[in-house]
Amino acid sequence: GAGVSQSPRYKVAKRGQDVALRCDPISGHVSLFWYQQALGQGPEFLTYFQNEAQLDKSGLPSDRFFAERPEGSVSTLKIQRTQQEDSAVYLCASSWTSGRSEQYFGPGTRLTVT
Amino acid sequence: EDQVTQSPEALRLQEGESSSLNCSYTVSGLRGLFWYRQDPGKGPEFLFTLYSAGEEKEKERLKATLTKKESFLHITAPKPEDSATYLCAGIIQGAQKLVFGQGTRLTINP
Repeated sequence: GAGVSQSPRYKVAKRGQDVALRCDPISGHVSLFWYQQALGQGPEFLTYFQNEAQLDKSGLPSDRFFAERPEGSVSTLKIQRTQQEDSAVYLCASSWTSGRSEQYFGPGTRLTVT
Repeated sequence: EDQVTQSPEALRLQEGESSSLNCSYTVSGLRGLFWYRQDPGKGPEFLFTLYSAGEEKEKERLKATLTKKESFLHITAPKPEDSATYLCAGIIQGAQKLVFGQGTRLTINP
């Protein structure tokens, strides 16, 4: 079956612009996660949804970052007033349930802020 | 602070030269230890989950093991196509997120 898909794959934004990144999880997966990956580093947690409920947003770096999953399927990560330090790869992952289930990752969106 | 540390940061081997990658963790109440492979420009690809000390899992040339303080990813007779970054991550008590190490960049020369 289809894996996790993300769009766009690449995004260039000028500093101060708003961006929206989309994630389509594997069909039927209850849990959805967003991670941020800087060059040469491991992914870092941003936020977590179980169905449509955002249960953990402790990793969001500032109030410019906002995520939603209104119908418990597709999710959008929005970054307002982008800054250069927001440049990174944004990864989405989904899993059947929460807890110890393995998470399956999408290809990521590479965001470059100029 | 819960932390996952991988070593070495980079490893270069000749084809057929077996070795091990290390993942040490200082987390309270580890509920699962995950290994992923990541190729350039792609998302991490799931390899293994280990849940308790003493557990081992194998897939082709890879074998993952877990002790109370660390995990090893053993690679036997590697091939150039095994070249990738290998990431380990833990899930801790009371949380759902993965805490990743910084990865080991493995290069297998033909």
